[in-house]
Amino acid sequence: GQNIDQPTEMTATEGAIVQINCTYQTSGFNGLFWYQQHAGEAPTFLSYNVLDGLEEKGRFSSFLSRSKGYSYLLLKELQMKDSASYLCAVRDTGDDKLIFGTGTRLQVFP
Amino acid sequence: DVKVTQSSRYLVKRTGEKVFLECVQDMDHENMFWYRQDPGLGLRLIYFSYDVKMKEKGDIPEGYSVSREKKERFSLILESASTNQTSMYLCASSLSREQGTYGYTFGSGTRLTVV
Repeated sequence: GQNIDQPTEMTATEGAIVQINCTYQTSGFNGLFWYQQHAGEAPTFLSYNVLDGLEEKGRFSSFLSRSKGYSYLLLKELQMKDSASYLCAVRDTGDDKLIFGTGTRLQVFP
Repeated sequence: DVKVTQSSRYLVKRTGEKVFLECVQDMDHENMFWYRQDPGLGLRLIYFSYDVKMKEKGDIPEGYSVSREKKERFSLILESASTNQTSMYLCASSLSREQGTYGYTFGSGTRLTVV
């Protein structure tokens, strides 16, 4: 079956660093995506990994290990506006469907 | 920027009504998708389409149908709305599979309440 796991909720302090983990078991793999979704809004694209390793984009980085079925999203220098849900999604092989985890709700406190 | 527009932000419908949710994208994307999002369940795929007049069932197609008569428009139809279809509905589009390094672009969502 298809399974993507991520923690339901996390909290952190403004200025800190937080790591959101995602583990997946899918029948195929053709890339892993992270999306940010503020309450009541549409998800927006954050990062894409298809090869093992770290992809850095400003304050956000994403890591992938295909052999372990594992990814994480690293958020540095947290800001209040980073309070949102973070969705991990895996693209299946052979088509363009994304399979989503249930999302991690991050709350940043001053 | 790609824009995906969903016709309604909020809808309230009665049980048994036929409901149409419209989605239009303006960047000539081949692929379009309908998801519903519920607390604790994440995004679940209802239907998707890779081309005009083509449709494929997702994970939870029961009670829904779709229509794609033009490339830019993908409609979700609730044949007879029921209260368990109260949810946030998200439309998304993407380039062809070969160009899909950015995944989906989502619409703003339609929050449907069936009473």
